[in-house]
Amino acid sequence: AQSVTQPDIHITVSEGASLELRCNYSYGATPYLFWYVQSPGQGLQLLLKYFSGDTLVQGIKGFEAEFKRSQSSFNLRKPSVHWSDAAEYFCAVTGSSNTGKLIFGQGTTLQVKP
Amino acid sequence: EAGVVQSPRYKIIEKKQPVAFWCNPISGHNTLYWYLQNLGQGPELLIRYENEEAVDDSQLPKDRFSAERLKGVDSTLKIQPAELGDSAVYLCASSPVAGGFYEQFFGPGTRLTVL
Repeated sequence: AQSVTQPDIHITVSEGASLELRCNYSYGATPYLFWYVQSPGQGLQLLLKYFSGDTLVQGIKGFEAEFKRSQSSFNLRKPSVHWSDAAEYFCAVTGSSNTGKLIFGQGTTLQVKP
Repeated sequence: EAGVVQSPRYKIIEKKQPVAFWCNPISGHNTLYWYLQNLGQGPELLIRYENEEAVDDSQLPKDRFSAERLKGVDSTLKIQPAELGDSAVYLCASSPVAGGFYEQFFGPGTRLTVL
């Protein structure tokens, strides 16, 4: 079955500290992987995506993610968190043969302490 | 470039009442998606349109939910009658064409509360 698991429902980090949000996926074919961010009252904004090639991908707002096929993971990282990064983060998967249906994880809420 | 527009942003109704949500996708985007996002969960696909044709509605509860995309542009999602469990955020997204390779652009959503 196709699924995405985000093990951490809620994470709190101090401003300026590093961040890693975990994502594990189960997908029968070659996965396309995404990270979205959702601020309160806002729609989802794409942070970054992985299709193929270099397993370390760079995104907007200073985020990066690393695809590890052997671990079925696509963890999101940021070296120094800003207060404005407080939001909900969603990992999602689809595939090249898929018609665009995104399968989302349940999300991780990030709180940033001053 | 304008993004995906949804209205209303918030809706409060009593159970058994009908409700409708409207979505205007990004100009030129042929593919339109409706997602349901329950509290504390990720979005789940309800229906996908290619132009005016609903090509994937397997997750749409057809006994009470209906959708249409007239002229392949705007779309309306309707619930009749609404139940307490329908309280959620309804997200609309669009992409130039279908396929995982193409980014989906999301609207701000409509938050429905059923009392």
